[in-house]
Amino acid sequence: DAGITQSPRHKVTETGTPVTLRCHQTENHRYMYWYRQDPGHGLRLIHYSYGVKDTDKGEVSDGYSVSRSKTEDFLLTLESATSSQTSVYFCAISGKEMNTEAFFGQGTRLTVV
Amino acid sequence: GENVEQHPSTLSVQEGDSAVIKCTYSDSASNYFPWYKQELGKGPQLIIDIRSNVGEKKDQRIAVTLNKTAKHFSLHITETQPEDSAVYFCAATVSGYSTLTFGKGTMLLVSP
Repeated sequence: DAGITQSPRHKVTETGTPVTLRCHQTENHRYMYWYRQDPGHGLRLIHYSYGVKDTDKGEVSDGYSVSRSKTEDFLLTLESATSSQTSVYFCAISGKEMNTEAFFGQGTRLTVV
Repeated sequence: GENVEQHPSTLSVQEGDSAVIKCTYSDSASNYFPWYKQELGKGPQLIIDIRSNVGEKKDQRIAVTLNKTAKHFSLHITETQPEDSAVYFCAATVSGYSTLTFGKGTMLLVSP
């Protein structure tokens, strides 16, 4: 597996609470991405980063923010979790070109109750 | 934006048979087409990819073909084995662009 670690792997949280998911890579790759996976929707891009402090929105960014203060870490924050954000979240990385040869982490299962 | 359609949604085959999964895309500018395998409880794993400057690529029992004119690409798995059972996703993008658009996945079940 590519050197990607997501934490936590599982989390249950209450509606309205803030939640931060962490993605840590040891590959020194430039590009990092956060996706969510939901039945019937496949994988959808939330936010991505093309360098330290350089981030942009993806297809489903509402309700999410990200930060990348170091090459190896990409954080996804749900400022005020809602039940619609119950999902499996995947971090991915790529090095050569944006979106090519992207490798995924093991995922974080988030349940908002 | 890009739209990727994937068929079938489920596919059942006997061990040793071949399996074919097909995807169509809408953006003629797309030039990079990866395939991912996702086993239960794990993240998607890149198994093969193809760029628009080639029509076919093989890696042991798997191959991908691309028809740019018709805007479709396919994954071929020969001599299927039970460990090939998983969900397979196709995707398309313009390399270097922001969005990798995924198909909705095909659940492949290989019966012994």
